[in-house]
Amino acid sequence: QVQLQQSGPGLVKPSQTLSLTCAISGDSVSSNSAAWNWIRQSPSRGLEWLGRTYYRSKWYNEFSVSVESRIIISPDTSKNQFSLQLTSVTPEDTAVYYCARGVVPSGAFDIWGQGTMVTVSS
Amino acid sequence: EIVLTQSPATLSLSPGERATLSCRASQSVSSYLAWYQQKPGQAPRLLIYDASNRATGIPARFSGSVSGTDFTLTISSLEPEDFAVYYCQQRTNWPLMYTFGQGTKLEIK
Repeated sequence: QVQLQQSGPGLVKPSQTLSLTCAISGDSVSSNSAAWNWIRQSPSRGLEWLGRTYYRSKWYNEFSVSVESRIIISPDTSKNQFSLQLTSVTPEDTAVYYCARGVVPSGAFDIWGQGTMVTVSS
Repeated sequence: EIVLTQSPATLSLSPGERATLSCRASQSVSSYLAWYQQKPGQAPRLLIYDASNRATGIPARFSGSVSGTDFTLTISSLEPEDFAVYYCQQRTNWPLMYTFGQGTKLEIK
């Protein structure tokens, strides 16, 4: 049974960096048949895909154009997890952040983390 | 950018009734469309992928179909636990983007 467990702070100050981690159990971050995604949800923007990392003989990262200048997604094979860093945050980045496994090739997200409410406020 | 428009915004039905939820794409899309169910305080749950395939463990009363750019989620006979918000989601490749609809709230009448 695949599970994703998120961790990270729920409050970040404006202009600082939002950092979250997603620990994987029951699958591998190096799997050749999955991609590991970050998605957020807010009342104003709805569900918004942020980016993903995946391994196909080498590591790939792909990001939404809306955040591509501010986002880093990093796999950690030693801990079987992946992380999100979003730099220069503003109150508009306030949202519930989810990690999710992406199914290849359909692109559906079949396993989700529990979600982390992140508030950007001084 | 592809826009997914879901209708209706709210659907009021009783247990045992049939629910039909719509998701229309703003332009021609692939069959890589998924449906999710979300309950308050929970993450979305995958119901349907590739327009018509049920995800693991999803009851047979949930079904998906497609006609052109119009996608439909049907719940054949509503159970009390089916009242939730439903989202559709599409993937495009160039540039890579995953887009969600704005959701349909299925509420008890």
